[in-house]
Amino acid sequence: GQNIDQPTEMTATEGAIVQINCTYQTSGFNGLFWYQQHAGEAPTFLSYNVLDGLEEKGRFSSFLSRSKGYSYLLLKELQMKDSASYLCAVRENSGYSTLTFGKGTMLLVSP
Amino acid sequence: DVKVTQSSRYLVKRTGEKVFLECVQDMDHENMFWYRQDPGLGLRLIYFSYDVKMKEKGDIPEGYSVSREKKERFSLILESASTNQTSMYLCASSLFGKNEQFFGPGTRLTVL
Repeated sequence: GQNIDQPTEMTATEGAIVQINCTYQTSGFNGLFWYQQHAGEAPTFLSYNVLDGLEEKGRFSSFLSRSKGYSYLLLKELQMKDSASYLCAVRENSGYSTLTFGKGTMLLVSP
Repeated sequence: DVKVTQSSRYLVKRTGEKVFLECVQDMDHENMFWYRQDPGLGLRLIYFSYDVKMKEKGDIPEGYSVSREKKERFSLILESASTNQTSMYLCASSLFGKNEQFFGPGTRLTVL
């Protein structure tokens, strides 16, 4: 089984930088995913990490430390449209491509 | 562009009714998934399928069944709907060996 923790809510100001943390405990690790979900919409894929280190994709970056069971999603130059829920998900080392999701972090960006 | 569609955006049913939620993907993906999403609980996996006629239980399969007769279609069945099955249901698909799951728009089901 897996246990995934992330903060419930965060607030930030337009133009700022925000870091959303995710910690996990799993019996076998095979990748960590970040998804973005706007209210009333489907989750959309943001990033994937399977090796330690930082993956950068435009204004968004994701970091993974497997030894610490820790990841973060870094959002730079925040925009109002970044207000959304951010979901951390872990894939176990099994033959199936199933993910276990955290409960999500609701980010509110204010002017 | 991958497209995952779900038969209804909103659905209202009565307790005891049999409910079918349909999901169709157009990118020949082998893997398909059904989740429910509830406030404070996040996304939880109900069932998944990695091939036609194959199905596997997820974390919360009780009260649900699934059907995958064709590769592009994955159906979630509530044999006898109950009020605690009121939820947002999300379907997803992915290509075998690939990381990203693509989600449908969701069906908000209310059971009265």
